Amino acid sequence: KAGVTQTPRYLIKTRGQQVTLSCSPISGHRSVSWYQQTPGQGLQFLFEYFSETQRNKGNFPGRFSGRQFSNSRSEMNVSTLELGDSALYLCASSLETGTTDTQYFGPGTRLTVL
Amino acid sequence: EDQVTQSPEALRLQEGESSSLNCSYTVSGLRGLFWYRQDPGKGPEFLFTLYSAGEEKEKERLKATLTKKESFLHITAPKPEDSATYLCAVQARRGKLQFGAGTQVVVTP
Repeated sequence: KAGVTQTPRYLIKTRGQQVTLSCSPISGHRSVSWYQQTPGQGLQFLFEYFSETQRNKGNFPGRFSGRQFSNSRSEMNVSTLELGDSALYLCASSLETGTTDTQYFGPGTRLTVL
Repeated sequence: EDQVTQSPEALRLQEGESSSLNCSYTVSGLRGLFWYRQDPGKGPEFLFTLYSAGEEKEKERLKATLTKKESFLHITAPKPEDSATYLCAVQARRGKLQFGAGTQVVVTP
């Protein structure tokens, strides 16, 4: 079974631009979570989507948003990019929401903001 | 607020030199504790889930244990390919994973 895939793998943007990252979960998984990983803050939870609805949200500004489609694929968007948004953005999928189902991670998208 | 603390931050081992990593946590209503390994430039790879105090799980040279306040990841006779950052995460009632900062392990031949 194919794992979680994320596109693009690398992205370079400038301050003020916006960016959209994509995530395809493992087949049959309906929950998708997004995390930001930086050297200083580690892995931090952004949000979780299930059945096209945001179920859980971390402490990030409104510039960070996401959505999920009927096929469970998910996108996250960051508007008005700041230098501090440079990070590895990880997507994880699991079977259901609100359970202790294992979250399986994708390879991540490395975003660099100049 | 939920907190996860991993120690040590870094660990350098000789091949064959066994050691343990610690993950201490304070959460309201632990539902599960997860261990992942992460190689540079890659996403975390799932290792174990532990649900209740006293539980133990093993996989090759790794063994994870859980008490009411902490978890240990024991690495027995490590090999260079065990070099990675090991991440601990807890899941409380709200469902999201709260990660520790990780322990970077380097195993030298």
